Amino acid sequence: EDQVTQSPEALRLQEGESSSLNCSYTVSGLRGLFWYRQDPGKGPEFLFTLYSAGEEKEKERLKATLTKKESFLHITAPKPEDSATYLCAVRGNDMRFGAGTRLTVKP
Amino acid sequence: KAGVTQTPRYLIKTRGQQVTLSCSPISGHRSVSWYQQTPGQGLQFLFEYFSETQRNKGNFPGRFSGRQFSNSRSEMNVSTLELGDSALYLCASSKQGADTGELFFGEGSRLTVL
Repeated sequence: EDQVTQSPEALRLQEGESSSLNCSYTVSGLRGLFWYRQDPGKGPEFLFTLYSAGEEKEKERLKATLTKKESFLHITAPKPEDSATYLCAVRGNDMRFGAGTRLTVKP
Repeated sequence: KAGVTQTPRYLIKTRGQQVTLSCSPISGHRSVSWYQQTPGQGLQFLFEYFSETQRNKGNFPGRFSGRQFSNSRSEMNVSTLELGDSALYLCASSKQGADTGELFFGEGSRLTVL
């Protein structure tokens, strides 16, 4: 069965302190790995799609990378407005979401 | 450009009742997919409609159903409500289909079942 595991569950950073969020997956026939950001009381906001190992995507302070077993979301010099829950999802036979990493960035 | 609109935003029902939720996608988007989000199970895929046809279905009982109209608006229905159906129900629209992952989510309908 397809599985998606995100770690850590929660991460607290100081403003400017770079870090990475992990998404490990097992899926039969990866058809895409997706990252979203979700703010409290809102629906998720699409960030990136990755299709194959070695692929990288960047957007402002965020960079997503993909290997055959996991994806990382690197956050460089985060700001308080980056605080949110970051969700990873994989598309195999169906769409599976991870439980998310709740990121808090303190000023 | 208007975003995805879901109605109602909040509702309270009792066990055994049924509920209908509505979703208006972004103009020009033909795909609408539905998700259930709970603290315990996270975000789970319910089903996707594309041009009025159900394209994919998640692992939910038949009490959960949906449809899509010719204007791409979609509804989902849950019959014989159970306490465990309490959740945030999210709808997402996409131009080319949920497989691309480029989903635009609404703010959700929060259902409480008493």
